[in-house]
Amino acid sequence: AQKITQTQPGMFVQEKEAVTLDCTYDTSDQSYGLFWYKQPSSGEMIFLIYQGSYDEQNATEGRYSLNFQKARKSANLVISASQLGDSAMYFCAMREGRYRDDKIIFGKGTRLHILP
Amino acid sequence: EAQVTQNPRYLITVTGKKLTVTCSQNMNHEYMSWYRQDPGLGLRQIYYSMNVEVTDKGDVPEGYKVSRKEKRNFPLILESPSPNQTSLYFCASSLSPLHEGQETQYFGPGTRLLVL
Repeated sequence: AQKITQTQPGMFVQEKEAVTLDCTYDTSDQSYGLFWYKQPSSGEMIFLIYQGSYDEQNATEGRYSLNFQKARKSANLVISASQLGDSAMYFCAMREGRYRDDKIIFGKGTRLHILP
Repeated sequence: EAQVTQNPRYLITVTGKKLTVTCSQNMNHEYMSWYRQDPGLGLRQIYYSMNVEVTDKGDVPEGYKVSRKEKRNFPLILESPSPNQTSLYFCASSLSPLHEGQETQYFGPGTRLLVL
């Protein structure tokens, strides 16, 4: 079973609209971290946002917010007021096993296309 | 400038010819990791290291070796490369998960490897 599931291989969104990228995760750990990364066509991996499993508030970073629903094991990325520069591949990742083997697992990604 | 560097950035080699991809970070991070990225598969962890002289297998370790003799360096070694190791490789580093909330990984620029 996949530990990180991103169900949307690709999305097309009109510029200035809000975007939600889905991510569900599977872990039996109580303490874990969730991340989103952006990979533009140039290939580098850019960190966007982090949510700790014990954080009660949803994380926000500028136009990015993470809609964390712990009971549903969901960590969706929301991009408000999308821009052409947001066109990229987006990866959800989880860090688990904090006091054990500390593995980091990535989803397969969602390719986001912003339309002018 | 805080960064993770990888060399080389691009490499074409032939089957069986040993190669090393270097990775270095200047952030005094305990945790370092290697990933490979293949189309449709996202990023998969090859090996990781929680500190000097401590390394562990990730999800796809076969055909790779690593070492962590110094905190800043974490080279990836392919003793006998094969065409199925053609991929985009990323090195990443972070603080250990004991620094809860500060465990974001920072990525190197990537190394594109083609094995003929």
